[in-house]
Amino acid sequence: AQSVTQPDIHITVSEGASLELRCNYSYGATPYLFWYVQSPGQGLQLLLKYFSGDTLVQGIKGFEAEFKRSQSSFNLRKPSVHWSDAAEYFCAVGGVRSNYQLIWGAGTKLIIKP
Amino acid sequence: GAVVSQHPSRVICKSGTSVKIECRSLDFQATTMFWYRQFPKQSLMLMATSNEGSKATYEQGVEKDKFLINHASLTLSTLTVTSAHPEDSSFYICSAGWGQGNTEAFFGQGTRLTVV
Repeated sequence: AQSVTQPDIHITVSEGASLELRCNYSYGATPYLFWYVQSPGQGLQLLLKYFSGDTLVQGIKGFEAEFKRSQSSFNLRKPSVHWSDAAEYFCAVGGVRSNYQLIWGAGTKLIIKP
Repeated sequence: GAVVSQHPSRVICKSGTSVKIECRSLDFQATTMFWYRQFPKQSLMLMATSNEGSKATYEQGVEKDKFLINHASLTLSTLTVTSAHPEDSSFYICSAGWGQGNTEAFFGQGTRLTVV
């Protein structure tokens, strides 16, 4: 079955600390992987995406993610978080045949400690 | 990136009335639009997929007579919640994409619907 797992419901980190949000997927075809961020009461903003090529992708706001096919993972990282990074983060997977339909993870809420 | 505008951002309606939510692609032609529903502290649930000029395809468990979707043009799709009830209160988000094989869709800002 196709699925996306974000094992951490919420994560708390101190401002200035590094961050890694985990994402594992199960997908029967070549996966196209996305990370989105949602601020409270807002829509979704694309942070980054992986379609092909270099497995380390850079996104906006200083985020990056690494695609590891052997581990079926696409973890999101940031070397130093800012208070404004507090939000909900969603990992999603899609495929060419999906016609843009994405399978979503449950999300990870990021809490920043001052 | 491409811009998708969703309106209204918030709406409160009385139980039994209908509410229309608009989703517009401002700078591209959206051949496909998606409607999602998001329950508090949960992920997005795909409700339906609409292609311009054809009937929407609804996901299992979504009532097509209650959630009417119209995709009359390449820049506009509407979701009408008919005879709304308090349990329909939720955050509704649309997304839009274009072309064949383009797997990225762009999201609207979402609509917070409260039925009282």
